[in-house]
Amino acid sequence: DAGITQSPRHKVTETGTPVTLRCHQTENHRYMYWYRQDPGHGLRLIHYSYGVKDTDKGEVSDGYSVSRSKTEDFLLTLESATSSQTSVYFCATNEGATDTQYFGPGTRLTVL
Amino acid sequence: KNQVEQSPQSLIILEGKNCTLQCNYTVSPFSNLRWYKQDTGRGPVSLTIMTFSENTKSNGRYTATLDADTKQSSLHITASQLSDSASYICVVSEFSGGGADGLTFGKGTHLIIQP
Repeated sequence: DAGITQSPRHKVTETGTPVTLRCHQTENHRYMYWYRQDPGHGLRLIHYSYGVKDTDKGEVSDGYSVSRSKTEDFLLTLESATSSQTSVYFCATNEGATDTQYFGPGTRLTVL
Repeated sequence: KNQVEQSPQSLIILEGKNCTLQCNYTVSPFSNLRWYKQDTGRGPVSLTIMTFSENTKSNGRYTATLDADTKQSSLHITASQLSDSASYICVVSEFSGGGADGLTFGKGTHLIIQP
């Protein structure tokens, strides 16, 4: 978890409300990622960023958007949360795309 | 479709015993294979990363092996400790010409060490 923080760590919200999760890194890594982890599934990529203002979609991007205005911050937004988005969300970073990734501590999101 | 299959799904062993976790993959073209340890309620932490030319890599009591011909990897834990209780995740990277979305994650093996 060193150098990567996520906020909030826990959140309960209602269906239809907007939610923003924040990932902050002090490693100055170029790449940042958002994953979700659900029982019975491996980690699944939502979106990733390869530089400031440069982002791309992952495997499960529907219903999510991201922004990266500074190297150190990567925001994940659920415009209108649904119960299917209840999950644990992990942020990860690395300097090179094929390098080891470093993960944050996770955010547990519950959508009622 | 690229796949990473891990076995067993869960495993219980006594403290001090050795164990081996398996990972089979279909990812192609292959770039590297990683093993992560994930403690309950925390993010995954890297144990080893191996490229095509490496067939063994150690990190303390953890030894990973890779057979790129058969597309199999194993993670061997020696003299297990209670702190080894965790999920172990195998991740295979596809060579995607510099793209950052070429990772396939296994579902993990849940390991419990009993005193």
